[in-house]
Amino acid sequence: AQKVTQAQTEISVVEKEDVTLDCVYETRDTTYYLFWYKQPPSGELVFLIRRNSFDEQNEISGRYSWNFQKSTSSFNFTITASQVVDSAVYFCALSVRAGNMLTFGGGTRLMVKP
Amino acid sequence: NAGVTQTPKFRILKIGQSMTLQCTQDMNHNYMYWYRQDPGMGLKLIYYSVGAGITDKGEVPNGYNVSRSTTEDFPLRLELAAPSQTSVYFCASRPVEAGYLSGANVLTFGAGSRLTVL
Repeated sequence: AQKVTQAQTEISVVEKEDVTLDCVYETRDTTYYLFWYKQPPSGELVFLIRRNSFDEQNEISGRYSWNFQKSTSSFNFTITASQVVDSAVYFCALSVRAGNMLTFGGGTRLMVKP
Repeated sequence: NAGVTQTPKFRILKIGQSMTLQCTQDMNHNYMYWYRQDPGMGLKLIYYSVGAGITDKGEVPNGYNVSRSTTEDFPLRLELAAPSQTSVYFCASRPVEAGYLSGANVLTFGAGSRLTVL
C-alpha cells in the first residue's frame, strides 16, 4: 500500500518570503510517480507537476521548484518570493506503475500575507 | 472543451435521503474516480473504474454505489445519507497509457460537488 505524508498542515508567510512544503512518501514499488496539485480558494484542483521515480533531476518552473530525493523518500516543493496568489492548499500525491489509484497526502494550507 | 463535468455543485440532503452525483467526461478517458474531501483534509478515494462495466472500491466505499455503463459517465449514488457524508466530492478521469508510464497519467478533476447532510 502507498502512503503520502504532509506533516505541515498549515504554513503562514509574509509576501516575498521563500517557503518549502514537505512531502514524504512510502511505497514498495520501484517505479512510481509523484505529483503536486494546488487547490486555490475557489476549490478546483490544479495539476502542477509530475515526477517519475527513475528521474531524480530537480525541476524549476518560474518561482516554483521541486526537490526529489529517493534516499529520504521526499518530494519537497519550494515557492520562491511567495505572492498572495500562492495562497492555497497544496497536495502531494503518489501512484505506482500499472497502478489504478492516486494516493493523496493530507495537504498543506499555505497562507501568504501581504 | 468541457473536460470533467459534475452536477450538482451544491446540495443539501436530509438524513436518510438518497441522491446521485453525476459525472461526465468528454475526453474518452478509460479511468474515472470519485474522491471525497472532508473539511481541512486530503482526498480519499471512494470508488474508481478502469472502463465501462468495471468498477472497484477505494478506501472509503461504505454508503456509496457506482455504475459505469458508458465511457463518459460515472455517477455516484448515496443511499440513506448520513451526516458523516457531508463533504466535497470530486470526480476525476485519466487516460490509459501502456508501458513504462502506466499509472503515470495526470488526473483531470471536475469542479467538485459540495454536499451537506443535515
